[in-house]
Amino acid sequence: AQSVTQPDIHITVSEGASLELRCNYSYGATPYLFWYVQSPGQGLQLLLKYFSGDTLVQGIKGFEAEFKRSQSSFNLRKPSVHWSDAAEYFCAVGVYNQGGKLIFGQGTELSVKP
Amino acid sequence: GAVVSQHPSRVICKSGTSVKIECRSLDFQATTMFWYRQFPKQSLMLMATSNEGSKATYEQGVEKDKFLINHASLTLSTLTVTSAHPEDSSFYICSPTSQGEDEQYFGPGTRLTVT
Repeated sequence: AQSVTQPDIHITVSEGASLELRCNYSYGATPYLFWYVQSPGQGLQLLLKYFSGDTLVQGIKGFEAEFKRSQSSFNLRKPSVHWSDAAEYFCAVGVYNQGGKLIFGQGTELSVKP
Repeated sequence: GAVVSQHPSRVICKSGTSVKIECRSLDFQATTMFWYRQFPKQSLMLMATSNEGSKATYEQGVEKDKFLINHASLTLSTLTVTSAHPEDSSFYICSPTSQGEDEQYFGPGTRLTVT
């Protein structure tokens, strides 16, 4: 069965420090992978997505993610975190043989220390 | 990106009553609508999928007679929580998509509290 695991429930980093949020997936075929951010009171915003091609994907707000098939991972990175990055981050896999539904990971809450 | 609205953003209702949540895709035609539910501090879980003009398909464990989904037009879908109970209190999020579109968009969500 398809699944997504985000091992870290909560991460705290200092402003200006680098960030890596982990995501592992289980999927039988080539996955369609997404990272979303959810701020309090706001809807989900797409940060980036991977469908095929270059395994290093650039997204909005300075985020990037790398698809590693051998590790079944799609980790999200940012070289320098800003206080406004504090939010909940979700990794998801798209199941396109089931109409395109998304299976989400448990989410990682990011806190940023000044 | 696409503009998706949900109404209401927050609703409080008494146990046993019904609540209707509207989801509108303002600038594109949503051939498919996904409805998700998110409990506090938890992930989004898909409840059901509906295609315009067709009956919704519900995920395992989701009661179709309790969560009524209507997707009668390409720009509007509704989720009605019937005979709501406190355990239905959650954050409900719609996600419309168009045929052939590989990206999904999300509404801002509706916070339902059942007292």
